[in-house]
Amino acid sequence: ETGVTQTPRHLVMGMTNKKSLKCEQHLGHNAMYWYKQSAKKPLELMFVYNFKEQTENNSVPSRFSPECPNSSHLFLHLHTLQPEDSALYLCASSVQASGANVLTFGAGSRLTVL
Amino acid sequence: AQSVAQPEDQVNVAEGNPLTVKCTYSVSGNPYLFWYVQYPNRGLQFLLKYITGDNLVKGSYGFEAEFNKSQTSFHLKKPSALVSDSALYFCAVRDGSNDYKLSFGAGTTVTVRA
Repeated sequence: ETGVTQTPRHLVMGMTNKKSLKCEQHLGHNAMYWYKQSAKKPLELMFVYNFKEQTENNSVPSRFSPECPNSSHLFLHLHTLQPEDSALYLCASSVQASGANVLTFGAGSRLTVL
Repeated sequence: AQSVAQPEDQVNVAEGNPLTVKCTYSVSGNPYLFWYVQYPNRGLQFLLKYITGDNLVKGSYGFEAEFNKSQTSFHLKKPSALVSDSALYFCAVRDGSNDYKLSFGAGTTVTVRA
């Protein structure tokens, strides 16, 4: 257990469904991240929140919608996804989103879009 | 734009032999460099980082990495590999002038045979 908890661990959804991924950290960190991990590709940074403010949106399609209600919780709302969105979605946190701060990752949510 | 290249998809070594995982990077400012490891069904775990100072950085589980500015490289090394080192290894870089974005490579799968 790293201190970053992601739920659900596995999710299967159709292209017309609406679902959400949840991430929670109790490390006292102020920055939270969503990354997409696909096989044989670099991890893709999707969103960064620093002190609850979104500081990075890496040209992510609008069918992915992040929400950060406080520094401990991060959501990724999913709507009308495509099969190519199937991947492992990793949440991470750090003290701040800058410099040499180390990221602590959750175990990931494995998403399959049918 | 910053980027990381891990030229080898796979590295295979015998237990007890030296292990090297290669990484080269590109940033416009001063680099902050990181290595993370991912075991099956787990999130990424931090191994070590380079900020400034001594070019040889020591980290967890007997790993070390050497920063080479002229070659823009940050190769991960272990003098004597263990079967338990078999995992997926990621190199990452943050540009000191771009606070929020941490860019990862595609990962290198290390297999250590007994």
